[in-house]
Amino acid sequence: GAGVSQSPSNKVTEKGKDVELRCDPISGHTALYWYRQSLGQGLEFLIYFQGNSAPDKSGLPSDRFSAERTGGSVSTLTIQRTQQEDSAVYLCASSFAQQDTQYFGPGTRLTVL
Amino acid sequence: GENVEQHPSTLSVQEGDSAVIKCTYSDSASNYFPWYKQELGKRPQLIIDIRSNVGEKKDQRIAVTLNKTAKHFSLHITETQPEDSAVYFCAASIRSGGGADGLTFGKGTHLIIQP
Repeated sequence: GAGVSQSPSNKVTEKGKDVELRCDPISGHTALYWYRQSLGQGLEFLIYFQGNSAPDKSGLPSDRFSAERTGGSVSTLTIQRTQQEDSAVYLCASSFAQQDTQYFGPGTRLTVL
Repeated sequence: GENVEQHPSTLSVQEGDSAVIKCTYSDSASNYFPWYKQELGKRPQLIIDIRSNVGEKKDQRIAVTLNKTAKHFSLHITETQPEDSAVYFCAASIRSGGGADGLTFGKGTHLIIQP
């Protein structure tokens, strides 16, 4: 079946602009996770959703970051007033339940000029 | 919160030899430990995982061991092949009925298989 998909695959934006990143999880997966991977670094956990709710938002780097999930499926990660340090690959993952294997999407490479 | 340390950052081995990557974690409540392989420009892919009620798990050439007392776990790859060249990440998380905090990842090990 189809895996986790993300769009766009690449996004170049100017400092100060807002960007919206989209994640389509595997059908039937109730848990959805967002991570950030800076160049040559490990993955940094940002936020997770169980259904449409996000129990813990403390992993978001700043109040410029927000995420939502509607209908228990698609999720969007929004970064307002982007800064150069926001440049990274943003990865989404989903799992059948909170306690199961996470499957990653291909990521969105964000470049802030 | 959880902290995961991973060593070495780079590992070069001759084709056919074994490779071992080690990780330590800080939160004794962590009970799920996956390993991901990431090839250049690709998404991370799960290669093996272990839960804290098990001390060792093996899948063909790949094995993972877990020492809960010492809070460390290791990935072992035997008979390495060129296609094993990639960056490997260990991770830890707390899995319970009350919720999950997401995975805390190590910084990765760049495994290079020399022909």
